[in-house]
Amino acid sequence: DAGVIQSPRHEVTEMGQEVTLRCKPISGHDYLFWYRQTMMRGLELLIYFNNNVPIDDSGMPEDRFSAKMPNASFSTLKIQPSEPRDSAVYFCASSRGIGAAEQFFGPGTRLTVL
Amino acid sequence: GIQVEQSPPDLILQEGANSTLRCNFSDSVNNLQWFHQNPWGQLINLFYIPSGTKQNGRLSATTVATERYSLLYISSSQTTDSGVYFCAVANDMRFGAGTRLTVKP
Repeated sequence: DAGVIQSPRHEVTEMGQEVTLRCKPISGHDYLFWYRQTMMRGLELLIYFNNNVPIDDSGMPEDRFSAKMPNASFSTLKIQPSEPRDSAVYFCASSRGIGAAEQFFGPGTRLTVL
Repeated sequence: GIQVEQSPPDLILQEGANSTLRCNFSDSVNNLQWFHQNPWGQLINLFYIPSGTKQNGRLSATTVATERYSLLYISSSQTTDSGVYFCAVANDMRFGAGTRLTVKP
């Protein structure tokens, strides 16, 4: 398997613009996770899905953030409008099961909002 | 939620030295993973280790779930071991703050 795939790898945008990050999980994995990594807060979970259904979005920072998973092989994380404080590396991960299950991470998307 | 603490926060070693990284967690867990984040930012799975001991080459890990800690051992360190090592408690998706390891030639 190709592993978790994320695109784009780098994104530079201006404040106020809409940003869409994309993720393709490992085939057969039923859980998908979105994380954000910053120097100040480290790695933090934003939202996770089970069988394409959002289960816990308590980590989503505010209403400007939204995530969807229209099918088992694709998920998006959207920020609208973007702000400079959203600059971070966003990781997608997937696993087969949750709790007692190993998570595999994608390469991340480095987002810079000017 | 579960608190995850890693120590030491920073570690500098000479190539060839051994090291032990520690991860403490505040409640019982059914999953624990160790990751290495390389200088390019990629998160690489090292061990999935809810309990017991595992070894992979120069690296090994031990989790004592009843005492709420896990240890990652790195033997004969190499410069390519540099980066940040994270433990993560998956049932709460909590990551520790990491240990930044620098191995000098």
